[in-house]
Amino acid sequence: DADVTQTPRNRITKTGKRIMLECSQTKGHDRMYWYRQDPGLGLRLIYYSFDVKDINKGEISDGYSVSRQAQAKFSLSLESAIPNQTALYFCATKDPIGETQYFGPGTRLLVL
Amino acid sequence: AQRVTQPEKLLSVFKGAPVELKCNYSYSGSPELFWYVQYSRQRLQLLLRHISRESIKGFTADLNKGETSFHLKKPFAQEEDSAMYYCALMITQGGSEKLVFGKGTKLTVNP
Repeated sequence: DADVTQTPRNRITKTGKRIMLECSQTKGHDRMYWYRQDPGLGLRLIYYSFDVKDINKGEISDGYSVSRQAQAKFSLSLESAIPNQTALYFCATKDPIGETQYFGPGTRLLVL
Repeated sequence: AQRVTQPEKLLSVFKGAPVELKCNYSYSGSPELFWYVQYSRQRLQLLLRHISRESIKGFTADLNKGETSFHLKKPFAQEEDSAMYYCALMITQGGSEKLVFGKGTKLTVNP
């Protein structure tokens, strides 16, 4: 769904570096989410936001932080990247009526 | 504890055969369940949700509260059904809500 975009799509970084993954949406949804996907572990929720002033930790928030700059933008930061944060990261928005989540294309992150 | 269990990591069937992807859940509230699909190198997308009771791409899923299951079924699998399938449970707690995903089942439909 082109209404949810993520940048960059691929990123290689080194241990200890700070990086930011960005998510933008044009769906007008208030609710946005960050997940990581690992083989054999499925998707796990990192952070979620119900509006620009409401940010909540998910099940695996340690080592991550987020910023909701506007309704349309929700960024995920790794303050000091470590190799076990190598994963595929997905941003999603949620339709408040239909309850459907719409996912971005994902950012593939490799931490060396 | 709220969780979603997909017991099969891998499932392989032949084209035209029936397929069933299992999903069990644990949740004290009224469950709202979804199936998401991820085709190779594509983003996750909603396949179906139990409330709508619809059939998408020939797939159906029935919520069985007695067995706490929401298995995904298709009578005749097609090669293009090969993908990762995730069962998900919407959890509502104290005004917040979030999706909890199972670990996924990789379906391969062989010619």
